[in-house]
Amino acid sequence: DTGVSQDPRHKITKRGQNVTFRCDPISEHNRLYWYRQTLGQGPEFLTYFQNEAQLEKSRLLSDRFSAERPKGSFSTLEIQRTEQGDSAMYLCASSFWGQGSYQETQYFGPGTRLLVL
Amino acid sequence: AQRVTQPEKLLSVFKGAPVELKCNYSYSGSPELFWYVQYSRQRLQLLLRHISRESIKGFTADLNKGETSFHLKKPFAQEEDSAMYYCALMGAGSYQLTFGKGTKLSVIP
Repeated sequence: DTGVSQDPRHKITKRGQNVTFRCDPISEHNRLYWYRQTLGQGPEFLTYFQNEAQLEKSRLLSDRFSAERPKGSFSTLEIQRTEQGDSAMYLCASSFWGQGSYQETQYFGPGTRLLVL
Repeated sequence: AQRVTQPEKLLSVFKGAPVELKCNYSYSGSPELFWYVQYSRQRLQLLLRHISRESIKGFTADLNKGETSFHLKKPFAQEEDSAMYYCALMGAGSYQLTFGKGTKLSVIP
C-alpha cells in the first residue's frame, strides 16, 4: 500500500501522559496536514507543512501540541499532558503542489484513534 | 470565517431512488468545493470537486454561487453508496480544508 500511513492506529493513555503519533506521507508529496476529528464532527484542520516548514497552525493547536516534519518526509504530532478532551481521531493527509499545479488533492491516512482515560 | 453546513446527519433511501445530499457554505470569495466519502472501515477519500465538473460513480455536484450550495446528487442509489459523506471547502489561496459534519447515507435494499 503506497498511501498515507499512520502509526499507531489506536492509542489509549492516561490523563497527563504524553503521546506521539507518526505520519508517513505518500512519497514525493511535499505538503502534509494534520486534522482532528471528534465524534459527530467533520475533520478540523490543525496544522500544515510545506516540506519541513510548518506554515500554519490552527488555534485548536494549544501549547501542549507540537508537530514536526524534520526532513520534509514523515511527520510527528506530540501531545503533552493529555486531557480527556484530546480524545479524538487524528488524521494525516498529504498532497503535492508544485509549479504548474492547478489542482491539489489531499490524500488521507487511516488515522490514529486516541482515547484519554 | 468560512463554514460548511450539512443539514442532514442521516439520510435513508431505497435502492434505485434518487439521492440528494445537501451542502451549504459560507465564504466571502470564490471557494473550491469538494465531496469526500468514507466507506465503512476505509479512509476518507475524495469523491469529486466542483472544478472538475465530472461525474464519479454516478454522482454529480453543481456549485450554485447564488444559493451558496454544492449539493451531491445521484439519480439511482446503489447499496454500495452507503457511506459517510463530507462536504468540504478550500478558500482561495488557502490549503486547509473546512469540512461539514457529514451525512450518513444508508441505501436500503
